[in-house]
Amino acid sequence: KQEVTQIPAALSVPEGENLVLNCSFTDSAIYNLQWFRQDPGKGLTSLLLIQSSQREQTSGRLNASLDKSSGRSTLYIAASQPGDSATYLCAVSSGSARQLTFGSGTQLTVLP
Amino acid sequence: GAVVSQHPSRVICKSGTSVKIECRSLDFQATTMFWYRQFPKKSLMLMATSNEGSKATYEQGVEKDKFLINHASLTLSTLTVTSAHPEDSSFYICSASGVWSTDTQYFGPGTRLTVL
Repeated sequence: KQEVTQIPAALSVPEGENLVLNCSFTDSAIYNLQWFRQDPGKGLTSLLLIQSSQREQTSGRLNASLDKSSGRSTLYIAASQPGDSATYLCAVSSGSARQLTFGSGTQLTVLP
Repeated sequence: GAVVSQHPSRVICKSGTSVKIECRSLDFQATTMFWYRQFPKKSLMLMATSNEGSKATYEQGVEKDKFLINHASLTLSTLTVTSAHPEDSSFYICSASGVWSTDTQYFGPGTRLTVL
């Protein structure tokens, strides 16, 4: 059974800092890995999707990497802003039904 | 494109009543829809997967008689919480994938259910 772990559970940084969020998964037979953002009481916003054959994806100040063999992914946020404050969820697609298994998230607070 | 809506966004009901939540794909045909549940400060847990015109596949531990899922068309799936109890209070999120890309799920905005 696929399990996804995110570290740290919470992170507080001053504005302008670069930061890294970590995600690990137990079964490397994945189709893809996604990073989502969730604001309090809201749904999910997809940030980046990395196919299993890819090593990284970039969107603006965000860069996500994938090392499938070691079961790890990182989300790098450059020059953090208070508007980046949210919970960041990592999810992997695996299994015959291509189900998404989510990590428990990292709650990020960027202090002005 | 690929927008998914949910209705209602919030619902409060009394114990013992049934509540229906709708999930619609607005601009694409969703061959598969997924229902997730999220407890406060916890991650999303997959409840069931449904394909249009067939019975939903429920995850282990999810009561199919309590959480009725209907995927009657390629743009609509419904989740009915029957005989609701306070412990059913949660945030329910649906997602949908289209025939052109089974790898990508598009998520709805979620429904906050509170059972008194």
